[in-house]
Amino acid sequence: GQNIDQPTEMTATEGAIVQINCTYQTSGFNGLFWYQQHAGEAPTFLSYNVLDGLEEKGRFSSFLSRSKGYSYLLLKELQMKDSASYLCAVRDTIKAAGNKLTFGGGTRVLVKP
Amino acid sequence: NAGVTQTPKFRVLKTGQSMTLLCAQDMNHEYMYWYRQDPGMGLRLIHYSVGEGTTAKGEVPDGYNVSRLKKQNFLLGLESAAPSQTSVYFCASSRRTSGDTDTQYFGPGTRLTVL
Repeated sequence: GQNIDQPTEMTATEGAIVQINCTYQTSGFNGLFWYQQHAGEAPTFLSYNVLDGLEEKGRFSSFLSRSKGYSYLLLKELQMKDSASYLCAVRDTIKAAGNKLTFGGGTRVLVKP
Repeated sequence: NAGVTQTPKFRVLKTGQSMTLLCAQDMNHEYMYWYRQDPGMGLRLIHYSVGEGTTAKGEVPDGYNVSRLKKQNFLLGLESAAPSQTSVYFCASSRRTSGDTDTQYFGPGTRLTVL
């Protein structure tokens, strides 16, 4: 089975740092994705990890530990426009057809002035 | 280059009515997907397609049918709508390979209400 957990909601102050954790238990693994979704809009790709370690992209960083089934997304120097939902998704094994993703429930981040 | 487009954007149905949601992509992607998104439940895969003329069931396929007659289009049908199918529906597409750039690209969504 597939199980992906992330907190429902987090609140942080403009300019601060927020860390969104994601734990997963899946039957197969071929990469972990983070997506950003503003209210009423489509999810958009933020980051991808397939090997253990930290991937940095500007103000956003994502970390993966495959042995622990754990990832986090780190948002630095928070801006008001970062208020959105952040979705963690695990891709099925390379042998499985369709590059299917299993999504967590999403974490709503509210940035306050 | 429009990416992934969906029609309609909004729709209200009565229980028992039927409708078809259309998804189109202009990125020449092999794979296409239909998801539904409900509050607190994230995105759940309904059906997907790995190529023209082929479809497969996802996590929540009951009550839905799909067709992929052309590579660029993926249709989602509701034969007899039920209130439990009230949701936001997203279509997505991706390339066949599974490298780090082969993320799924999402359409803007269709908000469906079944009364």
